[in-house]
Amino acid sequence: AQSVTQPDIHITVSEGASLELRCNYSYGATPYLFWYVQSPGQGLQLLLKYFSGDTLVQGIKGFEAEFKRSQSSFNLRKPSVHWSDAAEYFCAVGAGTGNQFYFGTGTSLTVIP
Amino acid sequence: GAVVSQHPSWVICKSGTSVKIECRSLDFQATTMFWYRQFPKQSLMLMATSNEGSKATYEQGVEKDKFLINHASLTLSTLTVTSAHPEDSSFYICSARDHRGPSYEQYFGPGTRLTVT
Repeated sequence: AQSVTQPDIHITVSEGASLELRCNYSYGATPYLFWYVQSPGQGLQLLLKYFSGDTLVQGIKGFEAEFKRSQSSFNLRKPSVHWSDAAEYFCAVGAGTGNQFYFGTGTSLTVIP
Repeated sequence: GAVVSQHPSWVICKSGTSVKIECRSLDFQATTMFWYRQFPKQSLMLMATSNEGSKATYEQGVEKDKFLINHASLTLSTLTVTSAHPEDSSFYICSARDHRGPSYEQYFGPGTRLTVT
């Protein structure tokens, strides 16, 4: 069965510091991978996605993610965090015959000035 | 870009009543829509897959008689929470797949917050 693990429940970083959010997945075939951000009480905003090809994916707001098949990982990175990046981040895998989405438990990001 | 709307954005209902939530794809046709629920500070859990013109497919543990899903047209799916109870209070999010695009693309609505008193 497919699953998504985000090992870090909560991360605190200083503004301007670099950021890496971890995501590991379990799926028999090559999955479709996504990162979403959610502000309190809001819906999901797509940051980036990986389907195939170049394993380093660029997204919006200066985010990027790297797909590593050998490690079953799809970690999200940003070189310099802004206070407005504080939010909940979800990694998701699209899998199954119906391409349902399965979400990780999320990582809450706090940015301190 | 593809836009999905939900109505209402928030609703309060009394225990024992039913409430309907609408999910609409505004600028594309969606043969498949998905319904998720999210408890506070938790992840999104897939409830069901809604296919236009056929019965929804529910995830294990989701009561299909309690969460009625109807996908009557290519732009509208509805989720009705029947005989709602306080434990049904949650954030419900839908997503839609553009029938013209890749099968792995989904567009998410802004969510509906349901509070059952």
